[in-house]
Amino acid sequence: GIQVEQSPPDLILQEGANSTLRCNFSDSVNNLQWFHQNPWGQLINLFYIPSGTKQNGRLSATTVATERYSLLYISSSQTTDSGVYFCAVGNSNSGYALNFGKGTSLLVTP
Amino acid sequence: NAGVTQTPKFQVLKTGQSMTLQCAQDMNHNSMYWYRQDPGMGLRLIYYSASEGTTDKGEVPNGYNVSRLNKREFSLRLESAAPSQTSVYFCASNPGEPGEQYFGPGTRLTVT
Repeated sequence: GIQVEQSPPDLILQEGANSTLRCNFSDSVNNLQWFHQNPWGQLINLFYIPSGTKQNGRLSATTVATERYSLLYISSSQTTDSGVYFCAVGNSNSGYALNFGKGTSLLVTP
Repeated sequence: NAGVTQTPKFQVLKTGQSMTLQCAQDMNHNSMYWYRQDPGMGLRLIYYSASEGTTDKGEVPNGYNVSRLNKREFSLRLESAAPSQTSVYFCASNPGEPGEQYFGPGTRLTVT
């Protein structure tokens, strides 16, 4: 399957700080999604972004498909942003099933 | 519009017991998936169904069987549960073409 590497693996921020999470992948993709897994285990869709740039409030994401990486930006972080952020990619070779990275564990402190 | 639903939410089995995890989606999606998530890791694909009537193995299919009952429902069966199958199981669906994949709330399974 497609290899997905996320960095950094762990991140601690003070409330109000900004951060950038990175996702590198090993093959061309048609699907790329960012998820937030909250402390209760629920997977929340943040972005569907196989290419280009999107913004949603304090979050934005950019994917450069030709260079096989994506970035997730979190601005003015809040304690509710804590959790694990996953990047996942897929293509038509396996029915658009997603290959997940190991995630970035984010803790935002007051 | 419930999205993707899974039952049960929690289950404890003894080694050797069998069970079926149920998944349904109401988005008229063609493709459905089963993943497992072990502690500290991302999700890994067990099986998927690209369309009604078809199923294919993913990265970790051993010990599991699946049935695409109809377009809405995709079940995962453990015939003889083992402690190594202790995990959180997620079902997902997408349109069957490049597009956003949606996940159910997960089933937390413990095998003792």
